[in-house]
Amino acid sequence: QKEVEQNSGPLSVPEGAIASLNCTYSDRGSQSFFWYRQYSGKSPELIMSIYSNGDKEDGRFTAQLNKASQYVSLLIRDSQPSDSATYLCAVNEASGTYKYIFGTGTRLKVLA
Amino acid sequence: SQTIHQWPATLVQPVGSPLSLECTVEGTSNPNLYWYRQAAGRGLQLLFYSVGIGQISSEVPQNLSASRPQDRQFILSSKKLLLSDSGFYLCASTSAGGPYEQYFGPGTRLTVT
Repeated sequence: QKEVEQNSGPLSVPEGAIASLNCTYSDRGSQSFFWYRQYSGKSPELIMSIYSNGDKEDGRFTAQLNKASQYVSLLIRDSQPSDSATYLCAVNEASGTYKYIFGTGTRLKVLA
Repeated sequence: SQTIHQWPATLVQPVGSPLSLECTVEGTSNPNLYWYRQAAGRGLQLLFYSVGIGQISSEVPQNLSASRPQDRQFILSSKKLLLSDSGFYLCASTSAGGPYEQYFGPGTRLTVT
């Protein structure tokens, strides 16, 4: 069973702090990795994609990928109350089925 | 960029009634299309995906079915709804051949009573 594991949280951070969200995956052949933000009652919104080992920065968000450790993380700098949401990690299934495996999400609370 | 439309936005249906949810995609051709269900407080469950017209792969052997009558149209159906079919139904799209980002529609919230 291919899996993506995330800590369900809630992860509480004060406003202005760095929030660190982590994800591990079991499918060693996965090549594409994604972070989604999902507000309560809304659909997931893609915020970052990463395909190569290392860091990728986009504004206040940095995605980090370590394929050897099968680990993906998302850092949110200068966290704002509006960042409070559930963050989903997703990876593509390596078997060429065009499927994506989603974690169950980490709930982030940014405290004002 | 892709835009995904879903309707209806909310639906309340009695047990045993039929279901038809529709999804259409703009801004890309020959997309890979997906139906997911998200139960309250739970993760995303892949129900069906399609890599082309008439090509449907089923992940969940339940009372649901999917069809893709046109390149950018994906339909989720049921002949008789169960209470367990309640949830948030999401259509998603990925551009064929990459990039591989998957985008979601606004979703349909289904309550079976």
